[in-house]
Amino acid sequence: SQQGEEDPQALSIQEGENATMNCSYKTSINNLQWYRQNSGRGLVHLILIRSNEREKHSGRLRVTLDTSKKSSSLLITASRAADTASYFCATDNNNDMRFGAGTRLTVKP
Amino acid sequence: SQTIHQWPATLVQPVGSPLSLECTVEGTSNPNLYWYRQAAGRGLQLLFYSVGIGQISSEVPQNLSASRPQDRQFILSSKKLLLSDSGFYLCAWSGGEGQPQHFGDGTRLSIL
Repeated sequence: SQQGEEDPQALSIQEGENATMNCSYKTSINNLQWYRQNSGRGLVHLILIRSNEREKHSGRLRVTLDTSKKSSSLLITASRAADTASYFCATDNNNDMRFGAGTRLTVKP
Repeated sequence: SQTIHQWPATLVQPVGSPLSLECTVEGTSNPNLYWYRQAAGRGLQLLFYSVGIGQISSEVPQNLSASRPQDRQFILSSKKLLLSDSGFYLCAWSGGEGQPQHFGDGTRLSIL
């Protein structure tokens, strides 16, 4: 069963704008991970944030984690058309990985 | 570097037929291995995971089974497919608990 719930389900922005996606979960976690999926392909790991971390950066990606609110956000800055994809959060608790339904991001050139 | 191979890319099978999907990993030893199913426009549902040869954990009761005959080989099987087995099947590996997962390109299975 799914645990992470992404919000919004779909997001459409112009190239150059920032995109923010949110993820909420229900149970305790060891870490939370964000993945990207291009249509019809496998998922690609983007970033992992551990339960004792609050913020993490990787290039144009910024992830925050608030364990008190059981939520995380993924910010993509200065978006590009190539960022168009579905983005999933996944909670990890002792080898039990649970994925959300994803946010479909469209970046218009 | 590590690579993961999953095949076939697409498969069309009649209801009641058997299934065998194979996944192999190269460039690492003793990986954790996973099988997921993804319905259209949805997230991933974990079906099976394995932390070692012959060690299979099942997440969801179903007519599918998994086997790990070798360290870097993970097989998803069914004796008789149902219409509800249609979907996008993804294999993944990780270096262990709490590590990122690395996915194959998936198999799109259509049941007629």
